[in-house]
Amino acid sequence: NAGVTQTPKFQVLKTGQSMTLQCAQDMNHEYMSWYRQDPGMGLRLIHYSVGAGITDQGEVPNGYNVSRSTTEDFPLRLLSAAPSQTSVYFCASRPIAGGTDTQYFGPGTRLTVL
Amino acid sequence: GESVGLHLPTLSVQEGDNSIINCAYSNSASDYFIWYKQESGKGPQFIIDIRSNMDKRQGQRVTVLLNKTVKHLSLQIAATQPGDSAVYFCAEILSGSARQLTFGSGTQLTVLP
Repeated sequence: NAGVTQTPKFQVLKTGQSMTLQCAQDMNHEYMSWYRQDPGMGLRLIHYSVGAGITDQGEVPNGYNVSRSTTEDFPLRLLSAAPSQTSVYFCASRPIAGGTDTQYFGPGTRLTVL
Repeated sequence: GESVGLHLPTLSVQEGDNSIINCAYSNSASDYFIWYKQESGKGPQFIIDIRSNMDKRQGQRVTVLLNKTVKHLSLQIAATQPGDSAVYFCAEILSGSARQLTFGSGTQLTVLP
């Protein structure tokens, strides 16, 4: 299994531009989530999904949209990028059944908004 | 809101010594805790977890201790190696929630030769 994959690894945007961060997992996990990590801080939850067609907001959802059309993919959209969205973005997944709450993380996307 | 926090932002240990990384949590409704290791430029990597009905759990060279009375957990790394240098995060999950992780701010562990 490739696990959780994210593309791109790096991205530079200008203020007001839009883009989509891609996340995919091949472990058939129902739960997927997006976090952002700012320098010297822990991860903060942006949005999450418990299955295809179901999404919900996390701690810091403003400025981001998500959709979950398949179990495998969970893209994160920035409609109008702002400098405050400069951060490292991590996608994670876990199974809902099976008795574990442990999430498995992708390698991250480093985003800079100028 | 309540959140997970760490006592020390940095920790330096000699190679071969044992490391202890501490974490305090304030929500008594948390029922699951995870320690993650994050190396520079990489995503968090699962190390070990513990449920609130346990006091101790051991893995390979790592032990997590949970003290529910004082809302404290620790990660012990035996015979610390250079490859253990990383930022370590504790994370908690609230009972009955959507099982969302709440992360602490992290401790930078540096292993000295």
